[in-house]
Amino acid sequence: RKEVEQDPGPFNVPEGATVAFNCTYSNSASQSFFWYRQDCRKEPKLLMSVYSSGNEDGRFTAQLNRASQYISLLIRDSKLSDSATYLCVVNPYSGNTPLVFGKGTRLSVIA
Amino acid sequence: DGGITQSPKYLFRKEGQNVTLSCEQNLNHDAMYWYRQDPGQGLRLIYYSQIVNDFQKGDIAEGYSVSREKKESFPLTVTSAQKNPTAFYLCASGRAGSTDTQYFGPGTRLTVL
Repeated sequence: RKEVEQDPGPFNVPEGATVAFNCTYSNSASQSFFWYRQDCRKEPKLLMSVYSSGNEDGRFTAQLNRASQYISLLIRDSKLSDSATYLCVVNPYSGNTPLVFGKGTRLSVIA
Repeated sequence: DGGITQSPKYLFRKEGQNVTLSCEQNLNHDAMYWYRQDPGQGLRLIYYSQIVNDFQKGDIAEGYSVSREKKESFPLTVTSAQKNPTAFYLCASGRAGSTDTQYFGPGTRLTVL
């Protein structure tokens, strides 16, 4: 089983739609979780951390389900500028050990 | 400005030549990382270093070498032993001893002709 698994997509959605991405991770001892955004031919950038209680940043909501080893990202009112690849990222251990990256889910928001 | 710099942005080399990619950070981060990304693929860890003068192999270290003589710098050498060196190389840094995230440089796109 891969450490971090994501549906590669692509997800093609119209502007204004709500879209959700899911991610599963294999290591139940994983300590911290993140969503990164990567634009075409650019470096990944941190979108948001994922907390046990869930967290929201504007149109973006991230949730963590430790029992099911599952992370989600919800984007409301999609904008054309949201088109990118979204990477699910897990730190499987404590301390600054390397993060484990999913292969990403590609989103295209269409006018 | 604080951040991570990688140079050059684009690099072309002939097959059989070694090439060194630069990565510098002024974020005072202890840990630094090198990843490789191929088209349509995820990030794969090459090497990482959590402290000066120490580094560990990642998942795909064969054909690569690194050094960490200074906290700010973590250069990656792509040797002629690397079979498929053409890729997008990303450097990242982070604070050691925490569950904090990693921050990426803009990347170097290496093409071996």
